[in-house]
Amino acid sequence: AQSVTQLDSQVPVFEEAPVELRCNYSSSVSVYLFWYVQYPNQGLQLLLKYLSGSTLVESINGFEAEFNKSQTSFHLRKPSVHISDTAEYFCAVSRNQAGTALIFGKGTTLSVSS
Amino acid sequence: GAGVSQTPSNKVTEKGKYVELRCDPISGHTALYWYRQSLGQGPEFLIYFQGTGAADDSGLPNDRFFAVRPEGSVSTLKIQRTERGDSAVYLCASSSPPGTANTGELFFGEGSRLTVL
Repeated sequence: AQSVTQLDSQVPVFEEAPVELRCNYSSSVSVYLFWYVQYPNQGLQLLLKYLSGSTLVESINGFEAEFNKSQTSFHLRKPSVHISDTAEYFCAVSRNQAGTALIFGKGTTLSVSS
Repeated sequence: GAGVSQTPSNKVTEKGKYVELRCDPISGHTALYWYRQSLGQGPEFLIYFQGTGAADDSGLPNDRFFAVRPEGSVSTLKIQRTERGDSAVYLCASSSPPGTANTGELFFGEGSRLTVL
């Protein structure tokens, strides 16, 4: 069975500080990995995804995540956060590229303050 | 529409009542998904439609839950004899056909918050 573990439920940081949101998965088959973000009062939206190829994937707003097969991790990082990055972040794993039956972690709340 | 639309946004009902939650996916998206999110938890998969048929309903918790998508577009999640434990945000998502742009991306609605008293 597949599962996703997000190791931190809440991460408070100051503006312009670096941040890492941790995600570990378990799977006996090939996986496709996703980070979704939910801003206050908005729906979930895709932040970035790993399907194949380069293990380092980036989002348009400066986040990046690296697929590490040996450590079964897909940690999300940003070198300098903004107030507007305050949101809940969900790591997810799928058995296929279509994203059917995504399995989500419990989420990490990132709170950025000035 | 421009995005996935879910109605109602909020529903309060009494234990034992019947509830319907509606989802209108993005035009052209053939796949539609229902998830449930309880407080402090990540979204939990319920059911996935490809076209009109349920391709995977393994996440439905019991036979009180049922979902339809008769014309391959709008979907309705139906909950019979609601229980307090059904209280959650019910999320709908849709995705474009495999091989098209945005492969692997689910587009979520803002959810329907169900409260069972």
